[in-house]
Amino acid sequence: DVQMTQSPSSLSASVGDRVTITCRASQSISNYVNWYQQKAGTAPKLLIYAGSSLQSGVPSRFSGSGSGTDFTLTISSLQPEDFATYSCQQSYITPFTFGPGTKVLIK
Amino acid sequence: QVQVVQSGAEVKKPGSSVKVSCKVSGATYSNYGFSWVRQAPGQGLEWMGRTIPILGVANYAPKFQGRVTIAADKSTSIPYMELSSLRSDDTAVYYCAIDRESVYHGMDVWGQGTTVTVSS
Repeated sequence: DVQMTQSPSSLSASVGDRVTITCRASQSISNYVNWYQQKAGTAPKLLIYAGSSLQSGVPSRFSGSGSGTDFTLTISSLQPEDFATYSCQQSYITPFTFGPGTKVLIK
Repeated sequence: QVQVVQSGAEVKKPGSSVKVSCKVSGATYSNYGFSWVRQAPGQGLEWMGRTIPILGVANYAPKFQGRVTIAADKSTSIPYMELSSLRSDDTAVYYCAIDRESVYHGMDVWGQGTTVTVSS
């Protein structure tokens, strides 16, 4: 299985901050990475697919980059509604594994 | 607009089976990819498997192979996930997650989740 790791596991940030979350795959997965946002008690929401493509309806402050084994999710200016857990997922080869998640907390 | 409604919460005994369904409205969905993703309390997301109803085949995560069936009901065409030989560590929220374009485009529609509690 492809192992997905994320760092940090949690972070504290203020509204307006630039936030970067890193995801690393245990083998090359081209750009088959998706990013999801999950708020407590709700289903995940797709933010970014294919490494850097913004899902329809997602604010442009979210962006993704990377290819191969290293990927990043960036929130350019953190908003109050962005406090949530963010998970990467590879869809290159089954089983389609997820990273453990990064919890973004209010500072 | 595509909407997904999953079946309701279940409480099961260890060793029994559970079947969770995923009802889709607002679209013709037989060529969509239906994955099942679970989340144990306080834990991350775990992909269990995927099917495309029109193809009638499924891929399963090795961890669940032999214990899970992911398919669409032949009479109603409603996608479902059935997990057998339940253990306490199967207690989780189970999500139906759909990729409408391809796995490359991510799972863009999710059900509300179904809580399955396994307890004696």
